[in-house]
Formats: sequence, C-alpha cells, structure tokens
Amino acid sequence: QVQLVQSGSELKKPGASVKVSCKASGYTFNNYAMNWVRQAPGQGLEWMGWINTNTGNSTYAQGLTGRFVFSLDTAVSTAFLQISSLKAEDTAVYYCARGPYSNSWYNYWGQGTLVTVSS
Amino acid sequence: DIQMTQSPSTLSASVGDRVTITCRASQSISSWLAWYQQKPGKAPKLLIYKASSLESGVPSRFSGSGSGTDFTLTISSLQPDDCATYYCQQYQSYSIAFGQGTKVEIK
Repeated sequence: QVQLVQSGSELKKPGASVKVSCKASGYTFNNYAMNWVRQAPGQGLEWMGWINTNTGNSTYAQGLTGRFVFSLDTAVSTAFLQISSLKAEDTAVYYCARGPYSNSWYNYWGQGTLVTVSS
Repeated sequence: DIQMTQSPSTLSASVGDRVTITCRASQSISSWLAWYQQKPGKAPKLLIYKASSLESGVPSRFSGSGSGTDFTLTISSLQPDDCATYYCQQYQSYSIAFGQGTKVEIK
C-alpha cells in the first residue's frame, strides 16, 4: 500500500535551517509528482508547490520565497523540503502529498512534520 | 491566481441533520475540485474529487456537486464522527488553492 512517512518534529532557532523528509513506499516513486502543503497553527491549508520526481524540476507557489527548496533522493524514494533562514512565521505543520497526476487532488498524505521556530 | 471562498466558516448542526458547505471559485474551474476532511492533529483525508466523485471507502452520506464556479459538499445525515474541518481545493490551474475551511460542530 502507498505510504508517505515524514521525518519527526523539529525545534529550530530563527535564522537556522531545517530539512524535512518524506519517504515514499508502495509505488514507483518516479511515476508521481510530490507536493508540499503547509498549515500554520490554527490556520488553513496552504499549497507550497510540487516537484517532478522524474526531472527534479520544482514549481513553487507564488509568494513563496527562495528560502524554500524542494529536492529528491530517488535512490531511496524520498522527497525533501529545505527551509533556510527560518522565521517565527515558518512555524507550521508541513505535509507531503501525492495524487494520481501532477496537477490533481491528493489521495495520499504524509503524517505531517511540525517545524517550530522559536528563540 | 484562482481564489477559493468557503461558507460558512463554522457550522453547528444536530446528529441526523443534512449539512451543506459551499465553495466558490473566483473564475471557472470546470469540475476540477476536491473536498477534504481534517480532524485535529491529523492529515487531511480526501472525500470527493472531480467535484462529485466519491473517494473509495468514504461513506455514501458524503456527496459533492457543482461545476464552473459554485460547488457544494453535502452530508446527508450528520454523524458524530463528522466533526471536523472541511476544505475545498481547486486544481484547474497549476497554482493550486484551498478554501479557508469550514468547521463542522455537533449541537
């Protein structure tokens, strides 16, 4: 069965960096794009963008700064989200999600990774 | 970018009630709309895709309708397990967007 398993919660200081992982199993990793969605505490879902798992090309949501970078390690079927120069407003749960197409609904989600930025 | 607006923001209803949540797109998205249910501390769960297709395993009391700019999610008979926040999502454009959510509570 399809599973997306994310790395554990992180507590970081402002200005630091964090790398969240999303390990996929139960399907051919290169056949489906990986998407990222974030949810600030008590807020709604915000689409961040997606990465083409064949080419490694990424599409980022408008307004998402260059501090956010998607990457892959296809050898271990894992997608990554790296956030640099962390700010307090980056505190959120970050989800990876997969759908049947590169631009579609998401029928598989990771369990979420809470990133807390606090001095 | 396409904006998605849900209403109401919060809804309180009794067990057995018929509940309707509305989602409006800022421009036509044909039927490229999904609905999700999210419970506290959990990842969203897909309920409906292509505006009206029920995801496998989702109870039949959930249904979706609409096309173009106006969509609805209906719960035909509200159950205690349905207490959650519901989100619509458009995927017509490559800039995907979610609605702001509707919290459903039991009276």
